[in-house]
Amino acid sequence: EAGVAQSPRYKIIEKRQSVAFWCNPISGHATLYWYQQILGQGPKLLIQFQNNGVVDDSQLPKDRFSAERLKGVDSTLKIQPAKLEDSAVYLCASRYNTEAFFGQGTRLTVV
Amino acid sequence: GNSVTQMEGPVTLSEEAFLTINCTYTATGYPSLFWYVQYPGEGLQLLLKATKADDKGSNKGFEATYRKETTSFHLEKGSVQVSDSAVYFCALSAWKTSYDKVIFGPGTSLSVIP
Repeated sequence: EAGVAQSPRYKIIEKRQSVAFWCNPISGHATLYWYQQILGQGPKLLIQFQNNGVVDDSQLPKDRFSAERLKGVDSTLKIQPAKLEDSAVYLCASRYNTEAFFGQGTRLTVV
Repeated sequence: GNSVTQMEGPVTLSEEAFLTINCTYTATGYPSLFWYVQYPGEGLQLLLKATKADDKGSNKGFEATYRKETTSFHLEKGSVQVSDSAVYFCALSAWKTSYDKVIFGPGTSLSVIP
């Protein structure tokens, strides 16, 4: 079975620029998560989707971050404008029953 | 709120040593508990899990037992190898309304030297 796909793997941008990340979850998984993992820390949930609806975005900085899940399948996470502190790995995961499956992540560096 | 606490690292062990990484949690209800591993340059992988009290999860020689009385889920391995060098994350999944929310601890870095 194919895993969670994310792209790009790496991205370097200047502060105040915008960036978008893409995630294709495992087929049939209704729940999708975006996490932010800052170096040396555990992943922090940014947003959780159930099908194409948002069920938790309490820790998403909504002034600059946005996310959508088209037709309950693929998802994109956007940052506009980026700040230096947004440098992190952005992880996408999808869930089936009690197990979450993670993609390899996108490493974002903001300079 | 729900949270996970892990022993701080980094942890450095010699090959074939015994490993324990402590994990305690705070949660309402009856969460599922997980250990995830992140090898250098790779994504998160589920190592093992336990879904109810007294369950023991095991995989690749690693074990952890869900202890509700002490709210703990310590990771153990009897004889570590160099290939076990990675960052280990304890996590829980707690029901919030109708949906699970996966909460991670800060991670413990393990280095195994020959």
